[in-house]
Amino acid sequence: DVKVTQSSRYLVKRTGEKVFLECVQDMDHENMFWYRQDPGLGLRLIYFSYDVKMKEKGDIPEGYSVSREKKERFSLILESASTNQTSMYLCASNRGHQETQYFGPGTRLLVL
Amino acid sequence: EDKVVQSPLSLVVHEGDTVTLNCSYEVTNFRSLLWYKQEKKAPTFLFMLTSSGIEKKSGRLSSILDKKELFSILNITATQTGDSAIYLCAVGVSSGSARQLTFGSGTQLTVLP
Repeated sequence: DVKVTQSSRYLVKRTGEKVFLECVQDMDHENMFWYRQDPGLGLRLIYFSYDVKMKEKGDIPEGYSVSREKKERFSLILESASTNQTSMYLCASNRGHQETQYFGPGTRLLVL
Repeated sequence: EDKVVQSPLSLVVHEGDTVTLNCSYEVTNFRSLLWYKQEKKAPTFLFMLTSSGIEKKSGRLSSILDKKELFSILNITATQTGDSAIYLCAVGVSSGSARQLTFGSGTQLTVLP
């Protein structure tokens, strides 16, 4: 079974803090994705990566950056957290041109 | 701009009822339509549809795609409390270096005993 894990299920941070969200997949997938999920807005793509050290902006990259130093790990970084970044963050991965994405359990981030 | 719209946004039914969830889309470079179920954890894959008129079925769940009218439906018969979840519709599009999914806002289904 594909396994996608995220470093924290719940996280509370203060405005201005630097926040790291980690995602690891164990299926040697080339593609990895970061989404945020907000009520009424569905999942919105923040960034994705199709190879190590490669990244592309999604629909809402502002305020975020990413890092992919190893194939299995994709990190989302909030350089200076703000209250409007309070959300559920979901990581996903898939192989090559596969359609289906496999999701991690999500990290619920609260920024105070 | 690609758009995926789901309706209704929320639905409350009783066990044994049949429900129909709707997903319409306006996207360029359509490749596929996917349905996911999300309980209090990771969304899990239900179906992928690429051809019009061919029903996909898994137990009490079924789904069909109409590429002419640009919509899909997800049917759940004889609902159970375990069907309570958010149902997400996503459309696969070709964009840039990797295939992306554009998601709708989801339908929150609550099944009461």
